[in-house]
Amino acid sequence: RKEVEQDPGPFNVPEGATVAFNCTYSNSASQSFFWYRQDCRKEPKLLMSVYSSGNEDGRFTAQLNRASQYISLLIRDSKLSDSATYLCVVPGGGSQGNLIFGKGTKLSVKP
Amino acid sequence: DADVTQTPRNRITKTGKRIMLECSQTKGHDRMYWYRQDPGLGLRLIYYSFDVKDINKGEISDGYSVSRQAQAKFSLSLESAIPNQTALYFCATRPGQGGGYTFGSGTRLTVV
Repeated sequence: RKEVEQDPGPFNVPEGATVAFNCTYSNSASQSFFWYRQDCRKEPKLLMSVYSSGNEDGRFTAQLNRASQYISLLIRDSKLSDSATYLCVVPGGGSQGNLIFGKGTKLSVKP
Repeated sequence: DADVTQTPRNRITKTGKRIMLECSQTKGHDRMYWYRQDPGLGLRLIYYSFDVKDINKGEISDGYSVSRQAQAKFSLSLESAIPNQTALYFCATRPGQGGGYTFGSGTRLTVV
């Protein structure tokens, strides 16, 4: 299994739809996970941290399944402004604990 | 002011030239990173530093060097730029092993 792997996308959904992204990781010792959002030609920005079984922030819900080693991001009631690339980020192996970024899943929300 | 500032924002340079990308942060974090991003390849780590005296190579350090001038400053140099170093470069900082990154706005570098 690759260190981090995401749904290839792209996801094209209508406004108001619910969309879910999955991400699998290989380091079973990983403790903290993140979802980042990146707009075209811009820097990645932290969307959500996922520290335990999962957490919710408005229309966004992140889930963590340690047994199956995957995390997910659910977006409800999609808005046009949600169109972006979503990056799954997990701790890498080794003592340094650097973060490993997935290649991202592109979401396009259409009117 | 931005928490992480990168300069320049855009740069076009010729093959063989030396170029430095600069990064400064106001978050007071010890950990700083340089990444490059290429279409289809995602973010790849070039170098990272956990404090002024601690510099480490990432997965793609060949052709690059760094300098940690102070806790707040971390610069990336391309000693002799080549076209395949054309990419979007990001500097990032992190509070510690449990926290996420804060990125600068990026430097778009084109080597012709």
